[in-house]
Amino acid sequence: GENVEQHPSTLSVQEGDSAVIKCTYSDSASNYFPWYKQELGKRPQLIIDIRSNVGEKKDQRIAVTLNKTAKHFSLHITETQPEDSAVYFCAASRGGGNKLTFGTGTQLKVEL
Amino acid sequence: NAGVMQNPRHLVRRRGQEARLRCSPMKGHSHVYWYRQLPEEGLKFMVYLQKENIIDESGMPKERFSAEFPKEGPSILRIQQVVRGDSAAYFCASSPAPDGYTFGSGTRLTVV
Repeated sequence: GENVEQHPSTLSVQEGDSAVIKCTYSDSASNYFPWYKQELGKRPQLIIDIRSNVGEKKDQRIAVTLNKTAKHFSLHITETQPEDSAVYFCAASRGGGNKLTFGTGTQLKVEL
Repeated sequence: NAGVMQNPRHLVRRRGQEARLRCSPMKGHSHVYWYRQLPEEGLKFMVYLQKENIIDESGMPKERFSAEFPKEGPSILRIQQVVRGDSAAYFCASSPAPDGYTFGSGTRLTVV
């Protein structure tokens, strides 16, 4: 089955700096890659997703890149703010209703 | 639109009791997914249901766990004879179509 690895497990940045979180996946049939943000005690919230027919997608300060050949995708957050502090999860799926396989999460802390 | 509603938010059960977790999907959503999150871990897929059908239960433990999504009413995740290892947050997600789903706020089950 699919296996998703996520790095780093913790990440501290200064406010205004950029943050990058990286994930690799094992199933070459995976074609849907969402990212979720989870604040302490709350539900995971979808922040951006990408499908395998595109290499990059951007939404304001958040961008995701995908390298299908390397089976690698990354989340980029620019101009980080304290409210960006949370746990971020990447996930991969074959799409079409197939289950999401999640990475183990990255605890992002944005320091003033 | 009230979003994905899960109840109860918190549930305490003694070892050996039954736990019933309910999930009402967003209006118009016919796809329901259940995930389990152990403390400080990622989300693990359990089961994918459509109305009156279990589509994928590959993540469900073979014993004590069952799920349903009846024609009328919420989806139910049932855990019989709970053990301490069942303590976790259980998240339900729904979607109008496969992919891009929205999570509920979760039920935090504590087994004492």
